Order: sequence, then structure tokens, then C-alpha cells
Amino acid sequence: AQSVSQHNHHVILSEAASLELGCNYSYGGTVNLFWYVQYPGQHLQLLLKYFSGDPLVKGIKGFEAEFIKSKFSFNLRKPSVQWSDTAEYFCAVNAGTGGFKTIFGAGTRLFVKA
Amino acid sequence: DTEVTQTPKHLVMGMTNKKSLKCEQHMGHRAMYWYKQKAKKPPELMFVYSYEKLSINESVPSRFSPECPNSSLLNLHLHALQPEDSALYLCASSQEGLGIGISKNIQYFGAGTRLSVL
Repeated sequence: AQSVSQHNHHVILSEAASLELGCNYSYGGTVNLFWYVQYPGQHLQLLLKYFSGDPLVKGIKGFEAEFIKSKFSFNLRKPSVQWSDTAEYFCAVNAGTGGFKTIFGAGTRLFVKA
Repeated sequence: DTEVTQTPKHLVMGMTNKKSLKCEQHMGHRAMYWYKQKAKKPPELMFVYSYEKLSINESVPSRFSPECPNSSLLNLHLHALQPEDSALYLCASSQEGLGIGISKNIQYFGAGTRLSVL
């Protein structure tokens, strides 16, 4: 069965600090990988995705993530966070062969101090 | 238009009530989903419809009854709920449905219905 682990449940950073949120998954086959973000009071929205090709993917708002197949990881990064990045971040995985079931990690709450 | 619209935004119901949650999308997506999200937890999949047919039921209790009357609409009928069913119910849609190649399963989420069962 697939599972997704996010290592940090809560992260507090000051503005301009660099961010890295860890995500590991367990699944033996081809996967599609996602990061979703949920800003306070707003709905879940896609931040970035990886299907195939270049393992370094860039998303919206300056975020990027790197897929490292050998480590089953898909960590999210941003060089310099802003107060407006305060949100909850979810890593998600689904089977790359047409599965509808997306498994979400437990989420990481990021608070950026102004 | 990348919007998934859910109504109502908030719902309070008693354990003997019958109510329905509604979800609508006009992106031409053929897969639609219901998720349940408890506070400080990730979304948990409940149901998936593909081409208006129920594709996945994640062992959800029968007091939750989904319905997909057409490709744009998804309902969740609620009856005899328990207080522990109080949660945020999210609807999502994605482009893929049965018969379409490899899934690139980008899901678009609605804002959710916050349900309180008294």
C-alpha cells in the first residue's frame, strides 16, 4: 500500500529564510507526485507536480521540488520565504499507471514571521 | 474557469436530519471525488466517480450516500450522521476518467463544506 510521510509537522521561519519540507513515499511502481498548499481559510491548490522527466520541478510562487527516486523523496524548497507563504503544505502521491486514489501526507504547517 | 463550487459553505445538522452537499464543476472533468478532512489532518478519500460511475468507495459508512447525476455535478447525501462525522468535506475533480491513458491526476479542489453534527 502507498503511504506518504512528511517529517515536519510544524515549521516556523523568519522572512527571507530558506525553506525545505521533507516528503517520502512508499510505493514500488511509477508514481505521480504533488505538493498542494492550503492558505488559511482557503481551499487546497496545486503548488507543483512531477510526472516524469527533469526531476527538478518548478511551481508557482518560487517553489520548487526535487524528485530523488533512489530515496523515494520529493522535498519542497523555496530559497527565501515570505510572510504570505504561511500555510499548510501537503505532499501527495498517486500510482502513475492510472490510479485515481491520491494519498496525502499529514501536512506541514508553516508559519513565517514578518 | 478552474473552479469547483461547493454548497453550502457551512452546515449544522442533527443526528436525525437528512441533508445533501453539492459540488459543481464546468471544466469538463470526468472524475469527481469526495474527501473528508478533520482538523489538522490531511484529506481522506471517500468516493471517486469516473464517467458518472462510482469507481472507488473507501469503505465509507452507508449514512453517506454519493450521487453523480451528470458529469458536472456531484452530491453527497447525509442521513443519521454521528457527531464524529463533523469535518470539512471537500469535493475535487480531475480530467481523467476510465479509458484515458496514464493518469495525470491533477485534482482541483473546492473550498469545502464545513459540517457540524449535533
